[in-house]
Amino acid sequence: RKEVEQDPGPFNVPEGATVAFNCTYSNSASQSFFWYRQDCRKEPKLLMSVYSSGNEDGRFTAQLNRASQYISLLIRDSKLSDSATYLCVFSDSNYQLIWGAGTKLIIKP
Amino acid sequence: NAGVTQTPKFQVLKTGQSMTLQCAQDMNHNSMYWYRQDPGMGLRLIYYSASEGTTDKGEVPNGYNVSRLNKREFSLRLESAAPSQTSVYFCATHREVVETQYFGPGTRLLVL
Repeated sequence: RKEVEQDPGPFNVPEGATVAFNCTYSNSASQSFFWYRQDCRKEPKLLMSVYSSGNEDGRFTAQLNRASQYISLLIRDSKLSDSATYLCVFSDSNYQLIWGAGTKLIIKP
Repeated sequence: NAGVTQTPKFQVLKTGQSMTLQCAQDMNHNSMYWYRQDPGMGLRLIYYSASEGTTDKGEVPNGYNVSRLNKREFSLRLESAAPSQTSVYFCATHREVVETQYFGPGTRLLVL
C-alpha cells in the first residue's frame, strides 16, 4: 500500500456545486495532516491544516478519520477560482512531510 | 518581502553536465528543504537542512548534493545530470510553530 493515496481525478464540477475528496494514509503514527493547493505550474500553498475534531474555513471543511486512516476535504459553493490540484500531506514518524500526488479539480461555469 | 526565491526558473542540460540550483529565503526560518515533483507523483524530499550548518538526506538523495551556506541560502547541486533528473525542483522553508511549509516558485529542469 502506498503511504498516501489520492484519486488523481480530474473531478469536473459545475460552479456552485459541492465537491468532496478523500486521501488515505498508511502510517498510523502520523500526527499532523494538511491540505495544500497547487495551481497549474505554480508552487504548493497551504490551504488548511486538518485537526482531529475537524475544522472549517469559509467554504472549506476538513476532517480526519483516524480509525479508517483518511482525511477529507469538502468544498461548498465551488468557484471557478477553486480549480486547482489539491495535495494531501501528512507527517511521518520523523516529522517529515509525506505528499500525495494530488487530486485535480476543474470547476466549470 | 520576497519569501522564498529560486534561480534559475528554467534550465536545459545535456547528460553529464553539472549545475547548481539556488534558493534563498528572507523568512528567518531555520529549516529548508529541496523537493522534486514528477508527473503523477507526490513531492519527494531530496535533502533538508534543519538549521544552518546541518544537512540530511531525504527520500531520493542519489545524484544530488546540497550546501546550507547560511541561514538564508540552501543550494542543490547536480554533479553529473541524468535524464532521470528531469523534473520540477522546489525549495521550501518550514515554520515550526504552525508546521507550514513555504515554497519557492520552482525550477523546471530538462536533461537531454
